[in-house]
Amino acid sequence: NAGVTQTPKFQVLKTGQSMTLQCAQDMNHEYMSWYRQDPGMGLRLIHYSVGAGITDQGEVPNGYNVSRSTTEDFPLRLLSAAPSQTSVYFCASSIDRGLEQYFGPGTRLTVT
Amino acid sequence: KNEVEQSPQNLTAQEGEFITINCSYSVGISALHWLQQHPGGGIVSLFMLSSGKKKHGRLIATINIQEKHSSLHITASHPRDSAVYICAVRYAGNLIFGKGTKLSVKP
Repeated sequence: NAGVTQTPKFQVLKTGQSMTLQCAQDMNHEYMSWYRQDPGMGLRLIHYSVGAGITDQGEVPNGYNVSRSTTEDFPLRLLSAAPSQTSVYFCASSIDRGLEQYFGPGTRLTVT
Repeated sequence: KNEVEQSPQNLTAQEGEFITINCSYSVGISALHWLQQHPGGGIVSLFMLSSGKKKHGRLIATINIQEKHSSLHITASHPRDSAVYICAVRYAGNLIFGKGTKLSVKP
């Protein structure tokens, strides 16, 4: 199993550009989530999904969209990038919402 | 307001020392997680516990629900244990993370 994969590993965007961060898992996990990690702060939940077709907002959803059309994939879309979205983004999955989460390797995003 | 507080923020130890990292939280939780973030950035789950104590190799995690406190212990520390250790609590279905404790173990 590849586990949780994320692409790209690094990305530089200009303010106002849009892009999609990809996340995929091959463990047939129902629960998937996106976090951002900023210096001096704990990981913060952006959006999550408890199964295909179901998504919900986390703590910091503004400026991001998600969809979950398949169990495997959970892409995160930045609609109009802002410097405040410079961060490291982690995708995670678990069999069930209440259980141990498996993290992807992260995407380091810089918005100039 | 931080629902999850970790201490210390930074910790330097000599190889072989016994290490304790503390986590206090202020909300009612259904479970507490300890995670390890490697210097390269990858995050792995170490423990998930809702009561008592769990042990895996040289790592021991304990939780006291009444006192809203958990500890992560590392016995016979080794330089390869150098990492950031993160406490997270499960509250209302989602995880709330602490800021992490950066551990450096010197040979």
